[in-house]
Amino acid sequence: GEDVEQSLFLSVREGDSSVINCTYTDSSSTYLYWYKQEPGAGLQLLTYIFSNMDMKQDQRLTVLLNKKDKHLSLRIADTQTGDSAIYFCADRANQAGTALIFGKGTTLSVSS
Amino acid sequence: GAGVSQSPRYKVTKRGQDVALRCDPISGHVSLYWYRQALGQGPEFLTYFNYEAQQDKSGLPNDRFSAERPEGSISTLTIQRTEQRDSAMYRCASSLEYGTNYNEQFFGPGTRLTVL
Repeated sequence: GEDVEQSLFLSVREGDSSVINCTYTDSSSTYLYWYKQEPGAGLQLLTYIFSNMDMKQDQRLTVLLNKKDKHLSLRIADTQTGDSAIYFCADRANQAGTALIFGKGTTLSVSS
Repeated sequence: GAGVSQSPRYKVTKRGQDVALRCDPISGHVSLYWYRQALGQGPEFLTYFNYEAQQDKSGLPNDRFSAERPEGSISTLTIQRTEQRDSAMYRCASSLEYGTNYNEQFFGPGTRLTVL
């Protein structure tokens, strides 16, 4: 079945850029998502990208999609301590269904 | 308005007992999803509903797990004869509509289930 892989940890200094990477296997993916999970809270949708796009920018967030390599990345500019959280990449399973396939999550640690 | 709510937030039960987990979606949201998240893992799809109809239950691990949404709003996930391996965070999400749009799913805070 479909699979989504992410690196597990990333540590950066406040003010630096963070880049979180994700690979997926489903060649029929239509939408890919980035969710943020803070301790004790639910998952929050950060951004998403449609599969016919290469890049999407939203304030400090930049999403890059390489559909040929099935690689997705999330860049956070000027990373702040409040960005410390677990970031999940998710793929929508197929066109008709709406289940999300999540990666294991990347823990971002931001030090001041 | 209010987001997705789940109750209880924490549930500790003994092996062999039945548990019922409740999800109250955002008002007016058509689709409702259940996911299970083990420690250190991403959420794993269990089942989803459009209105009151269960559209996909392929993620339910076995027949001890069932879910319902009788009036197309609140949903209950029931686990019968719980086992220790059922211990996890159970997350519910809802979305306004289904289909081929980007389909933002809004997640609740989850129910942490511990089976002793």
